[in-house]
Amino acid sequence: AQTIHQWPVAEIKAVGSPLSLGCTIKGKSSPNLYWYWQATGGTLQQLFYSITVGQVESVVQLNLSASRPKDDQFILSTEKLLLSHSGFYLCAWSLWGGSYEQYFGPGTRLTVL
Amino acid sequence: GQQVQQSPASLVLQEGENAELQCNFSSTATQLQWFYQSPGGSLVSLLSNPSGTKHTGRLTSTTVTKERRSSLHISSSQTTDSGTYLCGPGTQVVGQLTFGRGTRLQVYA
Repeated sequence: AQTIHQWPVAEIKAVGSPLSLGCTIKGKSSPNLYWYWQATGGTLQQLFYSITVGQVESVVQLNLSASRPKDDQFILSTEKLLLSHSGFYLCAWSLWGGSYEQYFGPGTRLTVL
Repeated sequence: GQQVQQSPASLVLQEGENAELQCNFSSTATQLQWFYQSPGGSLVSLLSNPSGTKHTGRLTSTTVTKERRSSLHISSSQTTDSGTYLCGPGTQVVGQLTFGRGTRLQVYA
């Protein structure tokens, strides 16, 4: 069975500090991967998607970057956090073909102070 | 870009009552999913229904693609159904889902 892990579960960081959030999918080969972000009280927005290792497309510009170093791993990062980066970050996966249904990880709650 | 409107914004039901949630979107979608978002924020996929009618358990979704709208019917609501329901239309190949503000459902015993 496929599993999706996100780390860390929660993070409290200072403005201007670096950030790295991770996502790992197990049990699926060559999934499409996605990063989403939801500000407190806001709507869920897709930030990045990746259909293969090494290729990442940006959907929304938030001074964040993403990388896919392995088939089953998706990383979200920035060198300098802003207050506006606070919120809930979700990773999701889907497979080519079929319904392209997306499945979400448990999320990481980020607080920037 | 895609705009998504969900109604009602909130809904309060007594256990056993049925719920009808609506989703209207501005652009053609080849993919549409309904999600449940827990109070903690995690998302659970309920149904994938880009067109037609689909049933699973107590859930029925009807999507009319040409009219760019979808509905989610929850029968015999339970207190554990409480949470936020999100509709996400999108494009299949790229998988760009767009979300609205959702419908917050509260079911009391």
